[in-house]
Amino acid sequence: AQTIHQWPVAEIKAVGSPLSLGCTIKGKSSPNLYWYWQATGGTLQQLFYSITVGQVESVVQLNLSASRPKDDQFILSTEKLLLSHSGFYLCAWSLWGTEVFFGKGTRLTVV
Amino acid sequence: GDSVTQTEGLVTLTEGLPVMLNCTYQTIYSNPFLFWYVHYLNESPRLLLKSSTDNKRTEHQGFHATLHKSSSSFHLQKSSAQLSDSALYYCALSGTLAQGLTFGLGTRVSVFP
Repeated sequence: AQTIHQWPVAEIKAVGSPLSLGCTIKGKSSPNLYWYWQATGGTLQQLFYSITVGQVESVVQLNLSASRPKDDQFILSTEKLLLSHSGFYLCAWSLWGTEVFFGKGTRLTVV
Repeated sequence: GDSVTQTEGLVTLTEGLPVMLNCTYQTIYSNPFLFWYVHYLNESPRLLLKSSTDNKRTEHQGFHATLHKSSSSFHLQKSSAQLSDSALYYCALSGTLAQGLTFGLGTRVSVFP
């Protein structure tokens, strides 16, 4: 069974439109959660991390926000997309002292 | 802040030859975790190797790396590359896993017959 599920798989959105990307972790209690972003040709850049429900720390400011409404859910969103938001978004999780596990990602194209 | 440097953007080689990918890092943490992740097309990045122990070789699937804190390095090596090793390889660093990983730019490896 898949532990981490990201949705949607891909999105094409207009500049100025809102965005919501989601991630669900199954079978793990109180994982650390992360959002990463990869621009075309760029590296994986961490955007946010969360250690517990309701608490999210921002690592890089990209006019995006993240929330953790439930222990197993991590949401990435913005009210107004920019062209520069295009790229590949990865959700990931870890437990204390172990490796980080990644989802399959969402490819976002802003037009 | 933390940073990871991978000097090769692209490595192309013939099957059967050895491969080495360079990774150096900077961090304020005295006991960082270092990782190598491999990212195949249309799959999730997955862990290949990890270490936090100075001067100890770690191995997996024919790859090996040794963390050298004196030179802040964690180079990845394999003695004989296979076609299936073609992928994107990321070196990553974590001071505390709670805060996540800092990645290098990645090295794309292409192995040809």
